Amino acid sequence: NAGVTQTPKFQVLKTGQSMTLQCAQDMNHEYMSWYRQDPGMGLRLIHYSVGAGITDQGEVPNGYNVSRSTTEDFPLRLLSAAPSQTSVYFCASSYTGQVKNEQFFGPGTRLTVL
Amino acid sequence: AQRVTQPEKLLSVFKGAPVELKCNYSYSGSPELFWYVQYSRQRLQLLLRHISRESIKGFTADLNKGETSFHLKKPFAQEEDSAMYYCALLTGGGNKLTFGTGTQLKVEL
Repeated sequence: NAGVTQTPKFQVLKTGQSMTLQCAQDMNHEYMSWYRQDPGMGLRLIHYSVGAGITDQGEVPNGYNVSRSTTEDFPLRLLSAAPSQTSVYFCASSYTGQVKNEQFFGPGTRLTVL
Repeated sequence: AQRVTQPEKLLSVFKGAPVELKCNYSYSGSPELFWYVQYSRQRLQLLLRHISRESIKGFTADLNKGETSFHLKKPFAQEEDSAMYYCALLTGGGNKLTFGTGTQLKVEL
């Protein structure tokens, strides 16, 4: 099993550009989530999904969209990138529809917005 | 609102010394707490959760509801314990993890 995979590993965008961060898992996990990690702020939840077709907002959802058309994939879209979105983004998944169980994290995507 | 506080950004100890990473939480519901760890060049991973009441890699953490704390402890630090440690609180009806800001543990020889 590959576990949780994220692409790309690194990305540089210009302000106003759009892009999609990809996340996939091959563990048949119902729950998937996106976090951003910023110095001095820890990890903050952006969006999450408890199953295909179901998404909800986390702590810092503004500027980001998500969809969950399949169990395996949970892409994160930046509609119009801003310098404040410069961060490291982590995708995570867990076995059941709740995060009581262990969350498995991807390797992260380092995004820089100029 | 829920909050997780890790007051130390960096904790430096000598090998063999005891370690205590502090975590305090604020939550109106029944808390479920976790410690996650990120070793250098590795993915963030679960270290332990309070409901399991287990010791992982020599680390333990006890939930103290009176003091709203969930401090991580190890009696004798090892060099391989050097990592970033995050305390996390389960909220949102069990669908959200609120993380603290993290503590970088450095174990010196």
